[in-house]
Amino acid sequence: DTGVSQNPRHKITKRGQNVTFRCDPISEHNRLYWYRQTLGQGPEFLTYFQNEAQLEKSRLLSDRFSAERPKGSFSTLEIQRTEQGDSAMYLCASSFSRYEQYFGPGTRLTVT
Amino acid sequence: TQLLEQSPQFLSIQEGENLTVYCNSSSVFSSLQWYRQEPGEGPVLLVTVVTGGEVKKLKRLTFQFGDARKDSSLHITAAQTGDTGLYLCAGWANAGKSTFGDGTTLTVKP
Repeated sequence: DTGVSQNPRHKITKRGQNVTFRCDPISEHNRLYWYRQTLGQGPEFLTYFQNEAQLEKSRLLSDRFSAERPKGSFSTLEIQRTEQGDSAMYLCASSFSRYEQYFGPGTRLTVT
Repeated sequence: TQLLEQSPQFLSIQEGENLTVYCNSSSVFSSLQWYRQEPGEGPVLLVTVVTGGEVKKLKRLTFQFGDARKDSSLHITAAQTGDTGLYLCAGWANAGKSTFGDGTTLTVKP
């Protein structure tokens, strides 16, 4: 399967801990996106990379969130000092064309 | 802030019925996508529309982009239980950022 993959699929952590998620995009895709989705809502844009450059970041993203895409391949999203409000599905998507994006299965984060 | 409003929020129909769901905005989008999402999974891309007035058909699904590129609709003919899911629209104003609606949850009963 050559789709977008995300690891882990599920993460349970205690409040205050740091967590890191990984996304492996479709190999020929140069654009990579991170979204957050809570129950009953659509995905909410967090950040966007073109190759290794982080070109846009949502104002909703606090200083506790950081994303990287070294070498323009896989990406990681780190959340420091997690809070209960961080509980959500974190979605990664990649694209080659200007607008279409293909999503991974997501990482479900639960902060207790 | 560009907002996409989807309606209805919930729709429950019998198998074989037709339905239409809507995606509306006051903003103009360069393109708009429709996705279907199942619980615990990521959204799956159904279609991209780019040109105002464009109509695309995908088997029993018909997608239309408004002339002013501010709204879109998805029509399903003879719904099947496998069509059950969350239908999301997403609009792009530039290459970097898309805006999603909150979706229409469709339940097709046998």
